[in-house]
Amino acid sequence: EIMMTQSPATLSVSPGERATLSCRASQNIKNGLAWYQQKPGQAPRFLIYDASTRATGVPARFSGSGSGTEFTLTISSLQSEDFAVYYCQQYANWPRTFGQGTKVEIK
Amino acid sequence: EVQLVESGGGLVQPGGSLRLSCTASGFTFRSYGMNWARQAPGKGPEWLSHITRGSDMIYYSDSVAGRFTTSRDDAKDSLFLEINSLRAEDTAVYYCVTPLITPTNVVYWGQGTLVTVSS
Repeated sequence: EIMMTQSPATLSVSPGERATLSCRASQNIKNGLAWYQQKPGQAPRFLIYDASTRATGVPARFSGSGSGTEFTLTISSLQSEDFAVYYCQQYANWPRTFGQGTKVEIK
Repeated sequence: EVQLVESGGGLVQPGGSLRLSCTASGFTFRSYGMNWARQAPGKGPEWLSHITRGSDMIYYSDSVAGRFTTSRDDAKDSLFLEINSLRAEDTAVYYCVTPLITPTNVVYWGQGTLVTVSS
């Protein structure tokens, strides 16, 4: 099973600032990585797939990068609606696995 | 518009069983593999199972293999999850999840159904 490790666990950022979230895979997953955003009481929202492709309707301030074992989600200028928990998920191998999440909170 | 509606959750005693359902609309259900995932209170999501289109292959996470059974009925655009030998740690919101759907290029999640395992 591929382990996904996200860092940091919590990121405190002021509105308008940049946020950089990291995700590391325990083995090479090429670009088989997705990012999700989740707010309290809601299902996860799909943001990024193939490590760097934004899903339809996702604002351009969200960008993904990386391949192999190291991945990054960047939110270029945080808006109030972006404060949430973010998860990475690998889909290169079975079983699919998620990271433990990074909470982006208001500084 | 893609919609996924889960049902069948509830309170069940340890050792009990439930059958969860997911009814899909807004896309050609039979053309896609489908997934189940869950999220325990205060925890991150956990992928549980994938069933390919045509039900040729079914994959399970190690944590549920042998206790959970996934199936589908393409005539009814429906996905099912039979969960047996329930344990307290199975308490979670259970979600039906699509793969990437074209042409919208989005992965859709249902609203979830809560399963609580408690005596």
